[in-house]
Amino acid sequence: QKEVEQDPGPLSVPEGAIVSLNCTYSNSAFQYFMWYRQYSRKGPELLMYTYSSGNKEDGRFTAQVDKSSKYISLFIRDSQPSDSATYLCAMSAGTGGYNKLIFGAGTRLAVHP
Amino acid sequence: DTEVTQTPKHLVMGMTNKKSLKCEQHMGHRAMYWYKQKAKKPPELMFVYSYEKLSINESVPSRFSPECPNSSLLNLHLHALQPEDSALYLCASSQDRRTGKIGELFFGEGSRLTVL
Repeated sequence: QKEVEQDPGPLSVPEGAIVSLNCTYSNSAFQYFMWYRQYSRKGPELLMYTYSSGNKEDGRFTAQVDKSSKYISLFIRDSQPSDSATYLCAMSAGTGGYNKLIFGAGTRLAVHP
Repeated sequence: DTEVTQTPKHLVMGMTNKKSLKCEQHMGHRAMYWYKQKAKKPPELMFVYSYEKLSINESVPSRFSPECPNSSLLNLHLHALQPEDSALYLCASSQDRRTGKIGELFFGEGSRLTVL
């Protein structure tokens, strides 16, 4: 079993839809959770960062962490064609002096007009 | 725009060549990372430097040689690579726990390497 599971998609939605992206994980030591957006042939761009459990909102994006279920989500409201990208969840236990991230496989999202 | 700058953006090299990838950040981060990403796959960690010291080497072949000359710079020296080493090489940086905060990783745009 992988430490982080993420459905690779692809996920295709119409413009304006609410998108739900999810990851599950097995390591209960994880406490730092991130979502990255990666456009084709570009580096990952940090979208959301959450420490421990709870919700975080930034514009059209909401991140949720449920540590009891080992489940994290990213919601995108009013999705736009420019949101078409691969979304990577990443998490770490944060031990040591650095942040060793474990990535999910990435979900490819296509938002069509 | 990313504050982690990688050069070159594209590199084509033969299997006998020696080349280097460079990464620079000016965010005051003391942890720097090299990742390798193949098409349609997530990034895979190669090396981590913390306070200019190598902290993690994820069993990377010796044909990849990292170097951290100072807290802002990170190099990846390449020698005798194989065609299967062709990939996007990503540099990232983050705060270090000793600063009191362990934070997000910020990635550069990557260097796309093709080995012929």
